[in-house]
Amino acid sequence: SYELTQPPSVSVSPGQTARITCSGDALPKRFAYWYQQKSGQAPVLVVYDDSKRPSGIPERFSGSSSGTMATLTISGARVDDEADYYCYSTDISGYLYVFGTGTKVTVL
Amino acid sequence: QVQLQESGPGLLKPSETLSLACTVSGGSISSFDWSWIRQPPGKGLEWIGYVYYSGSTNYSPSLKSRVTISIDTSKNQFSLRLSSVTAADTAVYYCARVLRRESTVTTNFYYYYMDVWGKGTTVTVSS
Repeated sequence: SYELTQPPSVSVSPGQTARITCSGDALPKRFAYWYQQKSGQAPVLVVYDDSKRPSGIPERFSGSSSGTMATLTISGARVDDEADYYCYSTDISGYLYVFGTGTKVTVL
Repeated sequence: QVQLQESGPGLLKPSETLSLACTVSGGSISSFDWSWIRQPPGKGLEWIGYVYYSGSTNYSPSLKSRVTISIDTSKNQFSLRLSSVTAADTAVYYCARVLRRESTVTTNFYYYYMDVWGKGTTVTVSS
C-alpha cells in the first residue's frame, strides 16, 4: 500500500498565506496533484504536475515539491478558499494511485 | 465543454451488486481515459480505478477483487460494478475524466489524473 499524509487542518486569516503539506515516500520521483473540494461539491483540480495551474485557477494557488513533501500554497487567502484540499499521486510503480488524507482549510 | 453525469440506484442491500453508469456529453468517450472515485460520509476521497480508452483497466488493490469498470463507446458511457457490497461501501460515487501525461524523465512512464468530475451520486447500503 501507499500513503500520502496531510495535516488535518490549517487556519489562516484573510489575506495571509496558507501552506498545506503532503508527505509521501515516492514524491521525490512522482508528481503531486491538488484538488479543492468545497462543502457538498465535487473536487476541482487546482494544481497538476507539482506546480502547474489549470486554466481558470487563480494565481494565488501555487504548488511546489521538494524531497518527500509536496506543498500547496494559497497566497492572500480569501474566505472563498475555505474547503477541503487533497493531494493525489502514485506510488513508485505508477499503478497505485492514492489521495492524501485531506486538509480542512479555514479562513477567518 | 465535456460534462459527466452519474446514474444508478441509490439504495442497495448488503451482498447486492452496485451498478453505476457515467454518461459523457460534450465530447467523445473514445478520446480519453476515465475513472471512478468515492467518498464515504464525512471521510476523504478514495480512488477506485481507471478504464483506459483501449478498454484495459487499473484498479485499487483494496477493491480489485470486487470491482469492474467498463466502457461502452456506443452509448458514450462508462460503468462501475462493485459486488458483494456492505455498509462500508456507502459513499458518494464520482466519475471523472482522466488526463494522461507522459513523463519527461522516465521513458514509457505516464501520469494519470482527473480534470473533470461529475457531481456525484449517493449510494447507501442498508438492510
